[in-house]
Amino acid sequence: DTEVTQTPKHLVMGMTNKKSLKCEQHMGHRAMYWYKQKAKKPPELMFVYSYEKLSINESVPSRFSPECPNSSLLNLHLHALQPEDSALYLCASSLVGGEAFFGQGTRLTVV
Amino acid sequence: ILNVEQSPQSLHVQEGDSTNFTCSFPSSNFYALHWYRWETAKSPEALFVMTLNGDEKKKGRISATLNTKEGYSYLYIKGSQPEDSATYLCAFLSSGTYKYIFGTGTRLKVLA
Repeated sequence: DTEVTQTPKHLVMGMTNKKSLKCEQHMGHRAMYWYKQKAKKPPELMFVYSYEKLSINESVPSRFSPECPNSSLLNLHLHALQPEDSALYLCASSLVGGEAFFGQGTRLTVV
Repeated sequence: ILNVEQSPQSLHVQEGDSTNFTCSFPSSNFYALHWYRWETAKSPEALFVMTLNGDEKKKGRISATLNTKEGYSYLYIKGSQPEDSATYLCAFLSSGTYKYIFGTGTRLKVLA
């Protein structure tokens, strides 16, 4: 199984809502990532988890809250987002230094 | 701040043409350079993982070279086909981190 599964595929939320994005992989990868991608721009790194511990936070606003409950799951909790947070959110996993395997992303729209 | 630049930003070629694009990255603290292909509505997929200066890798009609001393990598596509149309991203990994820093991407459109 070389898949990274992200749910939901699409999400529309209001600025006062709380929602979560989920990511799952069963490749035994111990590094997992959240990226944000806006139209016509490269993916921007948000968070890196290594062995279920947050190792990198790229100065992401606190309205985004990551969680790694176990080695296969990665969540991104969303609260009080702004319209400019609308983007494609990509999850990826890898062995250390190895190629990254990406999910298909969640297309988030904040209204 | 780590800058990873790709050129050109976009490219239109005719079917059958050969083409190439460039990825520039910091020449210090190099660990690996990856190339990804990202088709619309799909996930980015790894093409090549390159770690050694002078590396040359090939997969079918696509090949890549790596120069870590001067900080660049080239991706070549021979005899482009419409199905090669995609965004090609390079990603730089510096030693000691788990960060993939992506380049700006090259959007390739192959016209039939």
